[in-house]
Amino acid sequence: NAGVMQNPRHLVRRRGQEARLRCSPMKGHSHVYWYRQLPEEGLKFMVYLQKENIIDESGMPKERFSAEFPKEGPSILRIQQVVRGDSAAYFCASSPGLAGGPDYEQYFGPGTRLTVT
Amino acid sequence: SQKIEQNSEALNIQEGKTATLTCNYTNYSPAYLQWYRQDPGRGPVFLLLIRENEKEKRKERLKVTFDTTLKQSLFHITASQPADSATYLCALVGSSNTGKLIFGQGTTLQVKP
Repeated sequence: NAGVMQNPRHLVRRRGQEARLRCSPMKGHSHVYWYRQLPEEGLKFMVYLQKENIIDESGMPKERFSAEFPKEGPSILRIQQVVRGDSAAYFCASSPGLAGGPDYEQYFGPGTRLTVT
Repeated sequence: SQKIEQNSEALNIQEGKTATLTCNYTNYSPAYLQWYRQDPGRGPVFLLLIRENEKEKRKERLKVTFDTTLKQSLFHITASQPADSATYLCALVGSSNTGKLIFGQGTTLQVKP
């Protein structure tokens, strides 16, 4: 059973470009979380999705950021018009919980390191 | 506001000793608390989960305690090994939330041979 997969592992974008980060959850998991880790900071929750639904996006910046988890295919975190402050490691996690319940651990992917030049 | 604090200073110990890491929280009533390990350049890996009605949980050389009165969790690694060197993160989960984790900053443990 493959773990959570993220690609690309490293992404370099110039200011103003778009960044698309992909996450394939573990087989059988239908709950996906995105977290951001800024340099020298802890992991911060961004968004929680189930198939075709955004459940909690309380950690998402109001502008330029969006996420989706379609019926088929990976979850996508999209950052439009990137700025230098978007440079960070973006981690995706998946969970098998029936309701994303808190008693299920989350399985993290290796992360995508975004560098904005 | 809700706050989760872990020792920001690195913890250096000798191989074979017990490492104890602390996680304190304020303005929060978590139903569950989880501990993760993160190695440089990698994603966090789940270690242990403890519920609010549990005082202690063990898994091999790992032990976690959860004191909801003190609002504190302690994470112990007994008979530590150099391979235990990593950053350890505590994460809180609210009782009525959607499962999102709120992480502490992490404490870096260095075990010297």
